[in-house]
Amino acid sequence: EPEVTQTPSHQVTQMGQEVILRCVPISNHLYFYWYRQILGQKVEFLVSFYNNEISEKSEIFDDQFSVERPDGSNFTLKIRSTKLEDSAMYFCASTWAPNTEAFFGQGTRLTVV
Amino acid sequence: GNSVTQMEGPVTLSEEAFLTINCTYTATGYPSLFWYVQYPGEGLQLLLKATKADDKGSNKGFEATYRKETTSFHLEKGSVQVSDSAVYFCALIMTTGANNLFFGTGTRLTVIP
Repeated sequence: EPEVTQTPSHQVTQMGQEVILRCVPISNHLYFYWYRQILGQKVEFLVSFYNNEISEKSEIFDDQFSVERPDGSNFTLKIRSTKLEDSAMYFCASTWAPNTEAFFGQGTRLTVV
Repeated sequence: GNSVTQMEGPVTLSEEAFLTINCTYTATGYPSLFWYVQYPGEGLQLLLKATKADDKGSNKGFEATYRKETTSFHLEKGSVQVSDSAVYFCALIMTTGANNLFFGTGTRLTVIP
């Protein structure tokens, strides 16, 4: 069964460093997303991406964040200068159409120290 | 705005007990409703869904009915197994407009033999 894959599963980084979280969405999907979950809190939407551009973003997704689809398979989330409060589980998801159920990866746990 | 309120956990049950996890929602329009499950060490998996009022979603013995009059989508299972131990997330997405999921906080279920 096709699945969304994320790497790495766990990343530890020092405050102020840049990190790139990687995702390979399901191959025939067209819409891509990043969500995050701070420990003990809700899963929150960050950004959606379609047709090589951001289609929606939340207020969490500020100038420190960027997304890119550098080739036909990868979808990345970059955090330019990490802060302690960026520590969270980051989930990538994809869908074949808008406003439908999303298929999620297993998540990347980011720890900023 | 759109939001999901989910029963606080954790929930601990004995094998073969009846499970209910409450979920209510607030939405500005007509949402589709979902239950996602996260097994230890894995990503979010769609468990079941319902796209309109009075629909019943079901999968793996779990059921939830979309109740528009009470804005609820409670998850039930008649007889839980140890393998059902996981975190369960209620979520909604609007059928038009904003193309992102709104999640509840998640409920951790532990089933003991």
